[in-house]
This record gives sequence, C-alpha cells and structure tokens, in this order.
Amino acid sequence: KAGVTQTPRYLIKTRGQQVTLSCSPISGHRSVSWYQQTPGQGLQFLFEYFSETQRNKGNFPGRFSGRQFSNSRSEMNVSTLELGDSALYLCASSRGLAASSYEQYFGPGTRLTVT
Amino acid sequence: DQQVKQNSPSLSVQEGRISILNCDYTNSMFDYFLWYKKYPAEGPTFLISISSIKDKNEDGRFTVFLNKSAKHLSLHIVPSQPGDSAVYFCAAKSVAGAGGYNKLIFGAGTRLAVHP
Repeated sequence: KAGVTQTPRYLIKTRGQQVTLSCSPISGHRSVSWYQQTPGQGLQFLFEYFSETQRNKGNFPGRFSGRQFSNSRSEMNVSTLELGDSALYLCASSRGLAASSYEQYFGPGTRLTVT
Repeated sequence: DQQVKQNSPSLSVQEGRISILNCDYTNSMFDYFLWYKKYPAEGPTFLISISSIKDKNEDGRFTVFLNKSAKHLSLHIVPSQPGDSAVYFCAAKSVAGAGGYNKLIFGAGTRLAVHP
C-alpha cells in the first residue's frame, strides 16, 4: 500500500510570491491534515480536510489556504510569502477525522525556503 | 500558548539503558495522547498512544505513562537502541467547544540520541 506522497519535496521561493504544495493521501483515507514544522515550535496545525470540506483550522493567517479534491488529494496554498514561512510542511492522512483517535500517516514533507 | 510542552529539546542515552522522554500539558480536557517518532527527511510515524482512562500502555520496548493529576506523560524506551535515535513528538487530542471539532496538538519535540 503506497504511503502519503508530497510534491515537491524541496522548494525555494522569493518573498511576495505564492506557492502551492500537493499531498496525495493513502488510498481509502478521506482526511488530510496539514502541519508546519519549524525548529523549536514542533508541528503547528494548519487545517484538516475531510470529504472535500475544511473541518478544522489552526491559528494561521488567511494567506494559508487549502482545498481537497474528490479523490481526497489536497493542496495547500500560501500567498504573499514571508521569510518566516520557511519551514517543513507536512501532510498527514487518516481514515477518519484525525482527532477521532484515528492514526495519522505522515508524508515526508515539503521543505520550503523563502529568500 | 503551548498547551503541549516538551521541555527537553534533546536527550542522550547509552545503548541498552532506559530512555525517558517527558511531556507536560495544560488542558485538563485532553482525552487522548500519542507519541510520534521522526527520522530526518521522513514524516513522523505513529509510535504508541494512551487514552485518558488509562495510566499505562505498553508495546514491546515502548511504554507510555500518564499522570493526569500532574498533567504529565512520559515515554519509556527499554532497552534503548541506536536505531531509536530520532525526534519524538508527543501529541494530545483536544476536545472542541460547541460547534467546533477536535484537533491534535503537538509538542515541539525531543531529539533522542542513543550512543553505542
């Protein structure tokens, strides 16, 4: 069974630009959650999508947005990039909603560097 | 406001000894806790979990202890092996308020190094 895949794995962008990251969940999983990992901050929850609907949202500005398609694949978009957006962006999939005690499976992440 | 805290950013242990990773939380409404392990260039992988109705859960070399009165949980690895060297994250499930949804809240992680 294929794991969670994220593309691209590495990305370098300039301040002010926008970026779109992609996540393909494990087959059969309907929930996709996105996290930002920075040194010392751990995994900060961005949002969760389930059945194409955003079910949960963290405390990030509106520049961070996402969507989920009918095949459960998800994209995350960050507009007007800032230097502080440099981080590892992880997505995780689960059969049901992530916090309903369903185990989450993480992808390898996309390393975003903003210069 | 960090509701889940891992106060030790790093831990070094000799192979064969016990590794103890600690996690403190502030929200008494958390009802489910998980530990994840992360190797470099890989995503975190689920390790072990515990419900708030229990105080201990064991899986092979890994045991998680929960002390609800102290709002503290710990992960014990016995015996520690070099392959256990990784970053360990604890996470807690929060109970949503009216109209909201539950969410998982992660700590900042502890980097464990197991030396031969």
